[in-house]
Amino acid sequence: DGGITQSPKYLFRKEGQNVTLSCEQNLNHDAMYWYRQDPGQGLRLIYYSQIVNDFQKGDIAEGYSVSREKKESFPLTVTSAQKNPTAFYLCASSNSPGANQPQHFGDGTRLSIL
Amino acid sequence: GQQVMQIPQYQHVQEGEDFTTYCNSSTTLSNIQWYKQRPGGHPVFLIQLVKSGEVKKQKRLTFQFGEAKKNSSLHITATQTTDVGTYFCAVYNFNKFYFGSGTKLNVKP
Repeated sequence: DGGITQSPKYLFRKEGQNVTLSCEQNLNHDAMYWYRQDPGQGLRLIYYSQIVNDFQKGDIAEGYSVSREKKESFPLTVTSAQKNPTAFYLCASSNSPGANQPQHFGDGTRLSIL
Repeated sequence: GQQVMQIPQYQHVQEGEDFTTYCNSSTTLSNIQWYKQRPGGHPVFLIQLVKSGEVKKQKRLTFQFGEAKKNSSLHITATQTTDVGTYFCAVYNFNKFYFGSGTKLNVKP
């Protein structure tokens, strides 16, 4: 089945620790996105990538970093600089960048602080 | 960033009642997308509206795009317990998608 796989499903971070969330897609999509969702709220864009080896900051990029070395992979690192990392993280992809493309989401990773 | 306001924040209905959620923008939109997120799940794409005044239907769901392309609505006729979840609109601007805050629908059997 084609889709987006996020791992792990649950993740716990210690103070001062960097953690990396995995996102892999086999849909052959060019564009990939990372969103953060806090309880009872909408999705806020962290980073997005329209093509391999290129990515752009979203609205809340501080304390996060990404890479896009392969078309199918877009990992997100939550650094120690992100002081409030507890949230639900969603990775998405679309066939190509642009307004007319629906986004396909992974099942998400729930990150908590120990 | 792009602001899209979504109301209401919550809606509790009895099964069989209708439900509507609204998205409003201060600027003209190129299109608008709607997503549904079940409790504990991830958003799933429902539909996209592009044309001024466009109306699309999916079974009991009716989606409308305003004539001025500044607002949109999702209407569910005769809700069922399977409709429970949060409904989001999303708009595209400056190469990014912006999501509304969502309307959480609870349906009492």
